[in-house]
Amino acid sequence: GAGVSQSPSNKVTEKGKDVELRCDPISGHTALYWYRQRLGQGLEFLIYFQGNSAPDKSGLPSDRFSAERTGESVSTLTIQRTQQEDSAVYLCASSLANYGTASGNTIYFGEGSWLTVV
Amino acid sequence: AQSVAQPEDQVNVAEGNPLTVKCTYSVSGNPYLFWYVQYPNRGLQFLLKYITGDNLVKGSYGFEAEFNKSQTSFHLKKPSALVSDSALYFCAVSAILTGGGNKLTFGTGTQLKVEL
Repeated sequence: GAGVSQSPSNKVTEKGKDVELRCDPISGHTALYWYRQRLGQGLEFLIYFQGNSAPDKSGLPSDRFSAERTGESVSTLTIQRTQQEDSAVYLCASSLANYGTASGNTIYFGEGSWLTVV
Repeated sequence: AQSVAQPEDQVNVAEGNPLTVKCTYSVSGNPYLFWYVQYPNRGLQFLLKYITGDNLVKGSYGFEAEFNKSQTSFHLKKPSALVSDSALYFCAVSAILTGGGNKLTFGTGTQLKVEL
C-alpha cells in the first residue's frame, strides 16, 4: 500500500489477556520499527527489524512483549498478560535501510493501534 | 547518548503571525534531525529533515527549520500560521542502528495552538 498500515486501530482488552497488533510496512521498506506513546508522553522506541531479524530490541519493556516479522513484510507485536500500564498507542514505522554510515532515511509512521487495558 | 529537548510544552500564536517551535539537540558526530507533526488521534506525519547542506530546510505545509550547529538547535518555523496548523509537534534526532536502521529519539513534544 501507499503508507504504513496498522490493525486494529482500536483495541479494548481485559487485564491479563494477550493482544496482537499488526503492522504492514511500505512496500520495499526493509527496516521496520515499533514505538509506544503513552498518554501525554513522548515516543518510546521498542524494537527494530531489518528484514526478519531484530538487531535491536532494547526498548521492549518486559518479557511480556515480543515481536516478529515475516520476511520484509508484516510484523506483529504481541503483549502477553496485559496490564493497565500497557495502555498506549503503539506506532509502527518503516524506512529504507542504511548500509554503512547513517544517511538519515525518512521513517514513515502508521496511524497507530490504540490499546486500552481495563 | 543522543537527546532532544523541546523547552516549550505549548506555543500559542495568532493566525497570520509567524510561529517558532524550539528544539535543541545533543549528539556525538553529525546530527540527522527531523520534525514530525501529530494531529489529534492520528499517527505521526513527517514534515522535514536536516541531513547535510543548507542550514535552512523547507518541508511540507509551508514549514521550514533552521539548523544552527553552534547553538545545537533545529527550530521549526512558519512565516504565517494557520488555525489548521494546531497540532502536536515532535523534534527527533537519528542514530544508526546495528544492521542499518535509524533509531529516532524524540523530544517530549510541543502543542501548537493557533487562534483566530
